[in-house]
Amino acid sequence: QSALTQPASVSGSPGQSITISCTGTSSDVGAYNYVSWYQQYPGKAPKLMIYDVSNRPSGVSNRFSGSKSGNTASLTISGLQAEDEADYYCSSYTTSSTVVFGGGTKLTVL
Amino acid sequence: QVQLQESGPGLVKPSQTLSLICTVSIGSINSGGYYWSWIRQYPGKGLEWIGYIYYTGSTYYNPSLKSRVTMSLDTSKNQFSLNLNGVTAADTAVYYCARDRGGYSIFESWGQGTLVTVSP
Repeated sequence: QSALTQPASVSGSPGQSITISCTGTSSDVGAYNYVSWYQQYPGKAPKLMIYDVSNRPSGVSNRFSGSKSGNTASLTISGLQAEDEADYYCSSYTTSSTVVFGGGTKLTVL
Repeated sequence: QVQLQESGPGLVKPSQTLSLICTVSIGSINSGGYYWSWIRQYPGKGLEWIGYIYYTGSTYYNPSLKSRVTMSLDTSKNQFSLNLNGVTAADTAVYYCARDRGGYSIFESWGQGTLVTVSP
């Protein structure tokens, strides 16, 4: 199974909105609504931010939202804040009953 | 809130077996609905799903690692484990254990991670 495709980096200014894409295939992202997003700070474990494409766990800011169209899922962060600067990863359940991650995107808040 | 903690050797010699244990606190690995997972992260790079095990003992592995991976449960100690045999330098990574809700890539709880280096 191949890793999902994410841009290596994105950037935005405080207050702006950014979107990170996650492209897979009809065997993973496009097959089910089982896409999740994780935030990771250096030296720390990833934190679940979005699951089932667009659901937020309790305690996650509503500035984070997710969506999906076809084989591409997206994470949008609105009202960008300095604390959002981190690495972001998507993941998807697959038709082979396995899990695949994206390569990760480094978000820089300018 | 469930807590997970990885333990095991930080240094493994090439061709040997990497063995890690994940101890689960405040929650039972006998709970249905959760898949007990191993994920690794190469230095400075992305995440790779290694596989997971259900409380029934059913296992699901990454196809690229399947021939070298074994996962098991020890319900008496509330632990699950990872064995990866025939390691090479390419297996050097931070290894995380995590709990996946439903097995649908919802990794809602993670251990802190443990660095395993493969070197003579």
